[in-house]
Amino acid sequence: QSVLTQPPSASGTPGQRVTISCSESRSDIGSYVVNWYQQLPGTAPKLLICRNNQRPSGVPDRFSGSKSGTSASLAISGLQSEDEADYYCAAWDDSLKGWVFGGGTKLTVL
Amino acid sequence: QVQLRQSGPGLVKPSQTLSLTCAISGDSVSSKSAAWNWIRQSPWRGLEWLGRTFYRSKWSYDYVESVKSRITINPDTSKNQFSLQLKSVTPEDTAVYYCVRSQDIVGPGTNAFDIWGQGTMVTVSS
Repeated sequence: QSVLTQPPSASGTPGQRVTISCSESRSDIGSYVVNWYQQLPGTAPKLLICRNNQRPSGVPDRFSGSKSGTSASLAISGLQSEDEADYYCAAWDDSLKGWVFGGGTKLTVL
Repeated sequence: QVQLRQSGPGLVKPSQTLSLTCAISGDSVSSKSAAWNWIRQSPWRGLEWLGRTFYRSKWSYDYVESVKSRITINPDTSKNQFSLQLKSVTPEDTAVYYCVRSQDIVGPGTNAFDIWGQGTMVTVSS
């Protein structure tokens, strides 16, 4: 069972705004710093958001991140067909001394 | 432009050792700002971080508890690469294996995986 919990699927229509959640399963890890990755079919994951809400250069501003307490969210506005992908949250766990991933959310653009 | 190029066999027999190498171009395995990771992905386990090595004033290693007794990650400064060895493999170790760089992306405290190798599908089967 993953320390980070994501919904298995999400969907939206072109132009819509969708959000994907990532919840920490342990209440003592509210200090997680969450990163978000996008994985297109057949490719390696790509970094979208770091430190909860920081966008690396080159990532479109349609992608944004937020965190409140033990729950983080990735928002995609102006949804496009090329956003259809798997999305993963990840964080460094100090107690495990390692990186942990969420189970991933498959986003379908209808 | 930093690139990671993976090499190694795609088929390993049960009980044997899985060995993969990741050659680095455009950065150094001895970089004092990066860490060098191995991550695997399978349909039943999703993305799973296996471990990392990094150099600050000395080499350090971190491994995930579930494979700690079987895994070794080694840097090779002469070839600017790092390797993964996973002993006593079983079919459950079948996965796509990635070598990955992590570092601070947009300032302190923004550590994340930013460069990924091309991935190697490793099947454990007799």
